[in-house]
Amino acid sequence: NAGVTQTPKFQVLKTGQSMTLQCAQDMNHNSMYWYRQDPGMGLRLIYYSASEGTTDKGEVPNGYNVSRLNKREFSLRLESAAPSQTSVYFCASSEVYEQYFGPGTRLTVT
Amino acid sequence: GENVEQHPSTLSVQEGDSAVIKCTYSDSASNYFPWYKQELGKRPQLIIDIRSNVGEKKDQRIAVTLNKTAKHFSLHITETQPEDSAVYFCAASPPRGSARQLTFGSGTQLTVLP
Repeated sequence: NAGVTQTPKFQVLKTGQSMTLQCAQDMNHNSMYWYRQDPGMGLRLIYYSASEGTTDKGEVPNGYNVSRLNKREFSLRLESAAPSQTSVYFCASSEVYEQYFGPGTRLTVT
Repeated sequence: GENVEQHPSTLSVQEGDSAVIKCTYSDSASNYFPWYKQELGKRPQLIIDIRSNVGEKKDQRIAVTLNKTAKHFSLHITETQPEDSAVYFCAASPPRGSARQLTFGSGTQLTVLP
């Protein structure tokens, strides 16, 4: 089992560019999540999907969109990247309680 | 929404001593409180969690206590070892729907000095 995987590992964007962060899990979990982690702060929830076909906003959704492509995959899209979106992005999945995290994507917006 | 405060932000202890990290939460409906450990450059990993129907849970050198009345919970690590050095995050989650919306504290950098 690979668990939760994310691509890419690193990305540098210019302001205004768009990109999609990919996440997949092979644990057959219903719920999936996207977080961002900034220095000196905990993880903040951007969007989540309680089950296939549903998505909801978290604490910091502005500037992002998500797609729950199927039960395994949950993608995060930045339509027009801004320097404030420079962060480490983590995807996670869960069935009931414990959330399993992916390795993260380090995104820099210049 | 939920707000979680975590203290201290940094903690240094001698190897073999105990470490205590404290968190408070604001939403009295929260009923799930996990603790995650994150090593430098790695993903957060769950080390212990507690649900609101119990006041304490232990797993070897790690324990968590919960005081629902005061809305605070704490992580206790005994007999600390250098490999315990990491950032520790607490989180809280109310029971809304089938997905757990975790609100995290800002983290504690624990350094265990040999």
